[in-house]
Amino acid sequence: DTEVTQTPKHLVMGMTNKKSLKCEQHMGHRAMYWYKQKAKKPPELMFVYSYEKLSINESVPSRFSPECPNSSLLNLHLHALQPEDSALYLCASSQVRGPNYGYTFGSGTRLTVV
Amino acid sequence: GIQVEQSPPDLILQEGANSTLRCNFSDSVNNLQWFHQNPWGQLINLFYIPSGTKQNGRLSATTVATERYSLLYISSSQTTDSGVYFCAVVKAQGGSEKLVFGKGTKLTVNP
Repeated sequence: DTEVTQTPKHLVMGMTNKKSLKCEQHMGHRAMYWYKQKAKKPPELMFVYSYEKLSINESVPSRFSPECPNSSLLNLHLHALQPEDSALYLCASSQVRGPNYGYTFGSGTRLTVV
Repeated sequence: GIQVEQSPPDLILQEGANSTLRCNFSDSVNNLQWFHQNPWGQLINLFYIPSGTKQNGRLSATTVATERYSLLYISSSQTTDSGVYFCAVVKAQGGSEKLVFGKGTKLTVNP
């Protein structure tokens, strides 16, 4: 299995809603990432988890709350989002070390905040 | 932080033409990847290439780490090659590593 699976593929939520994005991989990767991508822009790093511990938070607002329950799962909890948070949210995974630690990306969740 | 510059920003080709995309980076890196993002947003890994040359069908890539650049070659382009091509480099930070993207090259292949 060489895939990163993200659910849901599309999400529309109101500014007062609470929702969660989910990401799963079964490649034995011990590093997992959340990226945010606005239209016509490159992906921007939000969070890095290494061995299930948060290791990088790129100054992301607290309305985004990541969680890594185990080595295969990564969640992003959303609360009180703003319309400008509408974007494609991408999850990725990689080995932490080793000669072939290329990143594998999921197909993303397209989020619209109304 | 590290800077990743890609050129050209936009490229329009006729089907069957060849092209070269360039990626320059400002600092030494642990690794480099080329991705193709399709119209549905999926980032597809093309090459994992910290140095040297690799080939996969009509695509090939070369990275010269000492001179801080990488090239992606597309030969005999097809309409399905259309999309955005990203170069991304891996840079260590605080015991972890982060993948930093260039702004991409948008390729349009016309029939």
